Amino acid sequence: GAVVSQHPSWVICKSGTSVKIECRSLDFQATTMFWYRQFPKQSLMLMATSNEGSKATYEQGVEKDKFLINHASLTLSTLTVTSAHPEDSSFYICSAMAVRSSYEQFFGPGTRLTVL
Amino acid sequence: GENVEQHPSTLSVQEGDSAVIKCTYSDSASNYFPWYKQELGKRPQLIIDIRSNVGEKKDQRIAVTLNKTAKHFSLHITETQPEDSAVYFCAAEPTGGYNKLIFGAGTRLAVHP
Repeated sequence: GAVVSQHPSWVICKSGTSVKIECRSLDFQATTMFWYRQFPKQSLMLMATSNEGSKATYEQGVEKDKFLINHASLTLSTLTVTSAHPEDSSFYICSAMAVRSSYEQFFGPGTRLTVL
Repeated sequence: GENVEQHPSTLSVQEGDSAVIKCTYSDSASNYFPWYKQELGKRPQLIIDIRSNVGEKKDQRIAVTLNKTAKHFSLHITETQPEDSAVYFCAAEPTGGYNKLIFGAGTRLAVHP
């Protein structure tokens, strides 16, 4: 149980295009999902907190118009990187927290984004 | 906001030895402290966590201690095995809602046979 998937697992796009990444909780409902960015051999940097049915809460320094987050259902959150540039190339990883009383975050496998 | 510092950044031990990783946090109101293990190319997975009303928690070879006064917590792995080799992240949940976590920089643990 508590499986989180991400799609796509990797994507290559041209500079200026937009890319959408999906995060799904497969066997549980998640009221809250989180989006992180992880650079090679570095930590998980929290980008935003996504709550079902409400606007995402972004961390300081993260551009909300650049990284659009939508949490339309209890099992799906999407991150759209708009007008992507090479500096947006990174590993994006999501996590989901179950509706039941638990603090544990279950992580997805991540999405490797490369912007040419 | 919350700041979590983690040390050391790399740790190399011989199989069977113990490993200790330490973290400090800045938000004195934080009350949840998990540890995640991330193997190469894989997703982070929770290995143990502790809440502020407890000073120590143990699960087989893994233990976590918490000192709220000093605002630091530590991960202890005993009788290390090669499969313990991974990156370990500590995290703290700051006040403010939504159960978000702020992660430390990570410790790359290498256990040599």
